[in-house]
Amino acid sequence: QKEVEQNSGPLSVPEGAIASLNCTYSDRGSQSFFWYRQYSGKSPELIMFIYSNGDKEDGRFTAQLNKASQYVSLLIRDSQPSDSATYLCAARPTGTASKLTFGTGTRLQVTL
Amino acid sequence: SAVISQKPSRDICQRGTSLTIQCQVDSQVTMMFWYRQQPGQSLTLIATANQGSEATYESGFVIDKFPISRPNLTFSTLTVSNMSPEDSSIYLCSVENGGLGQQYFGPGTRLTVT
Repeated sequence: QKEVEQNSGPLSVPEGAIASLNCTYSDRGSQSFFWYRQYSGKSPELIMFIYSNGDKEDGRFTAQLNKASQYVSLLIRDSQPSDSATYLCAARPTGTASKLTFGTGTRLQVTL
Repeated sequence: SAVISQKPSRDICQRGTSLTIQCQVDSQVTMMFWYRQQPGQSLTLIATANQGSEATYESGFVIDKFPISRPNLTFSTLTVSNMSPEDSSIYLCSVENGGLGQQYFGPGTRLTVT
């Protein structure tokens, strides 16, 4: 079974620090990877996607992909209380057309 | 990204009844999906809504329980039939928009079955 795994947390970081969220996936042939942010009571919002090994930066967010280790991470620099949410990692496995496999999410708490 | 709306945003229903959830997109999209998210859980794909043909259901989900329509490239409905309290959940539609499989979600429908 193709799986995406995340630590459920909560991950607690002080305001201004770097939050590091991690995700591993089992399907070595997965093509692209996505990070969604979900506030309590809201639907998931796509914040980053990555498909090449290495880093991809967008503002305070950096997605990192290491296909050899089957590892994806999301770094949030200068964390703000408004970043407190659940972050879902998703992978697009091979042979599944457009379907995504989601992890269970990591809850991030940014403390004052 | 596409603007997606869902109706209703929430509902409380009695067991044994059915509820139809609508998903409207402001632009034509090829791929539309229906997910369920139970409290404190991640997203579970129910089915892919195919325009002009029957939906493709995931393991554990059947058409009799979750009939889906997709009459055109901007609209889909999901019906939750013969509801039980176990169907209490958030139901989300999503659309694929982008060449790498990026999916964007509607605001969701919070269903409570009593």
